[in-house]
Amino acid sequence: GAVVSQHPSRVICKSGTSVKIECRSLDFQATTMFWYRQFPKQSLMLMATSNEGSKATYEQGVEKDKFLINHASLTLSTLTVTSAHPEDSSFYICSGVGGASGIYNEQFFGPGTRLTVL
Amino acid sequence: QKEVEQNSGPLSVPEGAIASLNCTYSDRVSQSFFWYRQYSGKSPELIMSIYSNGDKEDGRFTAQLNKASQYVSLLIRDSQPSDSATYLCAGSYNTDKLIFGTGTRLQVFP
Repeated sequence: GAVVSQHPSRVICKSGTSVKIECRSLDFQATTMFWYRQFPKQSLMLMATSNEGSKATYEQGVEKDKFLINHASLTLSTLTVTSAHPEDSSFYICSGVGGASGIYNEQFFGPGTRLTVL
Repeated sequence: QKEVEQNSGPLSVPEGAIASLNCTYSDRVSQSFFWYRQYSGKSPELIMSIYSNGDKEDGRFTAQLNKASQYVSLLIRDSQPSDSATYLCAGSYNTDKLIFGTGTRLQVFP
C-alpha cells in the first residue's frame, strides 16, 4: 500500500496557540488529501477535502477560519489549528488518494497526530 | 438510519475460528466499500476494498457485497489474537469521500 506520514505524532499546547500538522505522501502523488478528526470511542469524522493548488472544501459545521488547510504540492498538505482550545483536543488523521495503487479512490491514512490543548 | 451502520460489538471469537463482521449502508453511499482495521491509538489501515456484487478474497480475508440488500461483510478466517482490533466499514460517496461506520470491536482469544 501507499505510505502517508504525519508530523508531529503528538503535540501538547496551551489554549490560544496555533498548531500546524503536516501530512506527506511518501511514495505517490496525492491529488486529493482528506483531514479527519476522531474523538475517543467515536468513528472518523471528515473535516475537509484538500486538492493540490486549490482551496479546501470543508464539511458542514467545520470552521474554515479555525482549521486552515494548505495543499501546496502533490505530496504535502498542512492543517493549522488556529487559537486552539481544549475542545479541539482530538486525534487528527490525514489520508491521501492517488495513483500509487491504481485503484480508484482508495484512501491511505497517515499515522495520526494526537493534539492535547491545555 | 445511519448512513453506514455497524454493530459496535465486542465480537469475541476463539483463535482459529471465522470472524464475521457486518455492515449496512444507506442510499447515499453507493459506489465503493472499504474495510479498515484500527488498533487502539493508531490510525486506520486498509484491509479490503470491494466495488461489485459478490465475494472478493485476499489471504485470510473475504469481503462480500450485496448491493440489493445494501449489505457488506468481512470474513476473517483462522482468526489470530493479532486480529483483535476495531474494524471500520466505509462507503464512498461524491467521488472520493468516505463515510465511516462506528466500527466493530473484535476480540480473538487464545
